[in-house]
Amino acid sequence: RKEVEQDPGPFNVPEGATVAFNCTYSNSASQSFFWYRQDCRKEPKLLMSVYSSGNEDGRFTAQLNRASQYISLLIRDSKLSDSATYLCAVTTGFQKLVFGTGTRLLVSP
Amino acid sequence: DAGVIQSPRHEVTEMGQEVTLRCKPISGHDYLFWYRQTMMRGLELLIYFNNNVPIDDSGMPEDRFSAKMPNASFSTLKIQPSEPRDSAVYFCASSWADGKNEQYFGPGTRLTVT
Repeated sequence: RKEVEQDPGPFNVPEGATVAFNCTYSNSASQSFFWYRQDCRKEPKLLMSVYSSGNEDGRFTAQLNRASQYISLLIRDSKLSDSATYLCAVTTGFQKLVFGTGTRLLVSP
Repeated sequence: DAGVIQSPRHEVTEMGQEVTLRCKPISGHDYLFWYRQTMMRGLELLIYFNNNVPIDDSGMPEDRFSAKMPNASFSTLKIQPSEPRDSAVYFCASSWADGKNEQYFGPGTRLTVT
């Protein structure tokens, strides 16, 4: 089993739609969780850290479910500019991140 | 503020040649990470440093790969000799030792070995 797993997609949604991605992780000792956004041929950029209580940043909401070992990302009112690959990342040791292979999102007009 | 800086941005070389990739982390960051990204394997951690000291190099694929961090503002990843299967995008990232583990990536070096 991979340490971090994501549905590769693509998720095709119209503008204005709400879309959600999940990411499962295998190490129950993981302490820190993140969502990164990666545009084609660019570097991953930190989108959000995921806190135990859940957190929201504008149209983006991240949740953590420790019991089931997954994190989620919800995007409301999707914009064309949200089209990208979304990578989840999980710590497996102090400062050491393991990344999922990413979920591709395509938002269409 | 300057982000992580990497050079070169693109490198094309022939099999057997030595390749050196360079990274300047964000000023003040305590940790520096080298990653490799391919379509097949995704984003993989190769090695990371804390205060210029290598902490974990278990991701380095083989002895052909080596990394150094001679000071807080500079690191290199060297491949000698290079092979076609080393073709990938190599990212450098850095972070603070603040417990948040938030890593910030450079633009990457796209390496092609022919």
